[in-house]
Amino acid sequence: GQQVMQIPQYQHVQEGEDFTTYCNSSTTLSNIQWYKQRPGGHPVFLIQLVKSGEVKKQKRLTFQFGEAKKNSSLHITATQTTDVGTYFCAGGSYIPTFGRGTSLIVHP
Amino acid sequence: DAGVIQSPRHEVTEMGQEVTLRCKPISGHDYLFWYRQTMMRGLELLIYFNNNVPIDDSGMPEDRFSAKMPNASFSTLKIQPSEPRDSAVYFCASSYKIYGYTFGSGTRLTVV
Repeated sequence: GQQVMQIPQYQHVQEGEDFTTYCNSSTTLSNIQWYKQRPGGHPVFLIQLVKSGEVKKQKRLTFQFGEAKKNSSLHITATQTTDVGTYFCAGGSYIPTFGRGTSLIVHP
Repeated sequence: DAGVIQSPRHEVTEMGQEVTLRCKPISGHDYLFWYRQTMMRGLELLIYFNNNVPIDDSGMPEDRFSAKMPNASFSTLKIQPSEPRDSAVYFCASSYKIYGYTFGSGTRLTVV
């Protein structure tokens, strides 16, 4: 099946530092979705990107979809303790496959 | 809308017992998904339905697992007989046209 690889697996940052997680696929994705899961919680949908080269922003979060539609990234500017959680990308040709996620740990 | 509702939130059962997990999707959503989440394997898609019809159950690990969606507002995932390796968090999610899944709060299953 389609594989969506996500790196890094974990990221420790000091509060105020930036954070980026990357999602890569060996095949072209029709779209990419991003989710956030707080510790002990459930995944919550953040955004979907569809177009090649698309960039979308949500406050301090910036989402990008690569030109070849094979990679994507999520960048958080000036992290806060409320950003703690695991960020998943999900992509595919029809039903999205979830990456393994990047766990963000923010130290105050 | 109350979102996707799953029950029970926690289930502890003995090996060999039957376990039934329940899900009420968001009204109007035409897709329903069952996922299993573990540290070892991440989020695994078990099965999904479109308009109450099972479309792909290739992720169901064994014949011990079965899922039904008798109507648009209810689905069940059944494990019979349960085994310790089935211990995981099981999520139900629904969506409209596969745009942005809404997940339920999950059922944490422990099989002892």
